[in-house]
Amino acid sequence: EVQLVESGGGLVKPGGSLRLSCAAPGFTFSNAWMSWVRQAPGKGLEWVGRIKSKSDGGTTDYAAPVKGRFTISRDDSKNTLFLQMNSLKTEDTAEYYCTTSDTLHCSGASCYEGALDYWGQGTLVTVSS
Amino acid sequence: DIQMTQSPSTLSASVGDRVTITCRASQSISSWLAWYQQKPGKAPQLLIYKASSLQSGVPSRFSGSGSGTEFTLTISSLQPDDFATYYCQQYNSYSPTFGQGTKVEIK
Repeated sequence: EVQLVESGGGLVKPGGSLRLSCAAPGFTFSNAWMSWVRQAPGKGLEWVGRIKSKSDGGTTDYAAPVKGRFTISRDDSKNTLFLQMNSLKTEDTAEYYCTTSDTLHCSGASCYEGALDYWGQGTLVTVSS
Repeated sequence: DIQMTQSPSTLSASVGDRVTITCRASQSISSWLAWYQQKPGKAPQLLIYKASSLQSGVPSRFSGSGSGTEFTLTISSLQPDDFATYYCQQYNSYSPTFGQGTKVEIK
């Protein structure tokens, strides 16, 4: 069974940095496209970004609010996903979830991950002075 | 980005009621739409994918329909465990987007 376990959340001051980890034992992590989704307190879900599998190029995509400040990476040898968050703002305060999908779908030359089958339990990031 | 609009934002219903939630996309997403259920303090759980396919283990009282820009999630007979918040999500672009959520409350 796929298990995703996030860690690394905490309290950080505006302008600070934090690195989240997501351990993914028990499945073929290296083949998976992995994503981060966040949820501000009392608000809805917001996609943060993804990293493709190395066999699909290993490239990353980011949502506009975090582009240039957040970096997603992966260590396939350790079945671990990372989210490096720099220049944090108060509006980055949220529960951060690691997610993945069992499927991909392609339309023309573009491929996207499918519905998000698996979610971690989340890790809370609070940006406050 | 493709905008997803859910309605209503809040829904009050009783056990046994038939409940319908609507999700509209700002442009066509074919059938690349998912529905999730989220309970307080928990991660979202996938209910429906590809607009109408039931995720393994999800009760058959949940169903989804639609294509293009208009989609619905129906709960045929609301059960006590179904009081939660529901989100739609499109996954037909490099930037997946979610609806704002529909909270199903006890009437």
